[in-house]
Amino acid sequence: DAMVIQNPRYQVTQFGKPVTLSCSQTLNHNVMYWYQQKSSQAPKLLFHYYDKDFNNEADTPDNFQSRRPNTSFCFLDIRSPGLGDAAMYLCATSRELMGTSTDTQYFGPGTRLTVL
Amino acid sequence: GENVEQHPSTLSVQEGDSAVIKCTYSDSASNYFPWYKQELGKGPQLIIDIRSNVGEKKDQRIAVTLNKTAKHFSLHITETQPEDSAVYFCAASSPRDDKIIFGKGTRLHILP
Repeated sequence: DAMVIQNPRYQVTQFGKPVTLSCSQTLNHNVMYWYQQKSSQAPKLLFHYYDKDFNNEADTPDNFQSRRPNTSFCFLDIRSPGLGDAAMYLCATSRELMGTSTDTQYFGPGTRLTVL
Repeated sequence: GENVEQHPSTLSVQEGDSAVIKCTYSDSASNYFPWYKQELGKGPQLIIDIRSNVGEKKDQRIAVTLNKTAKHFSLHITETQPEDSAVYFCAASSPRDDKIIFGKGTRLHILP
């Protein structure tokens, strides 16, 4: 039944040790998004893929990268995690880009990242 | 770009009473307004949404109203229940942008 799946749900890494979070979807949506959410804040968009077309938000640090090898999967790579990168990371999908008549965004359960 | 303001930041209501959360937006071209409920440790869940060609939408105990002239939209929850306790986010989307812009969230407490 799950439509947007994130693994793992909890991830612990060490300061500076690269980490990869994964997201998969069964909706066959064209767009996949990665958000960072810190405690008591709204989700902050990092980047999105429209099919294979990557779109980075202007204020997303270079430390964050993403890969989308196929329609179903998208990965978030954090090259050198700092203490400030500890957060919930949310993946979301939409059929088409927001601003079209069919725009609705669905979120996964999130991965909580702890940096030691 | 779009800016979404959400009030109040915290709301406590007695179980069975109604709760209202209000949002304003700045971009008159915005045409899609979703509301998300986020429980502790979980991802945001879409609970209702409204498009700019509609003034009101209702789904059981939840309703959303949109005033395009005033650029303001509201979430109404009637007959509140303990399981309604969560953080609620409003958002807006404009054809000018490929994303949704969130409000800062409202923490709703349902008191027994």
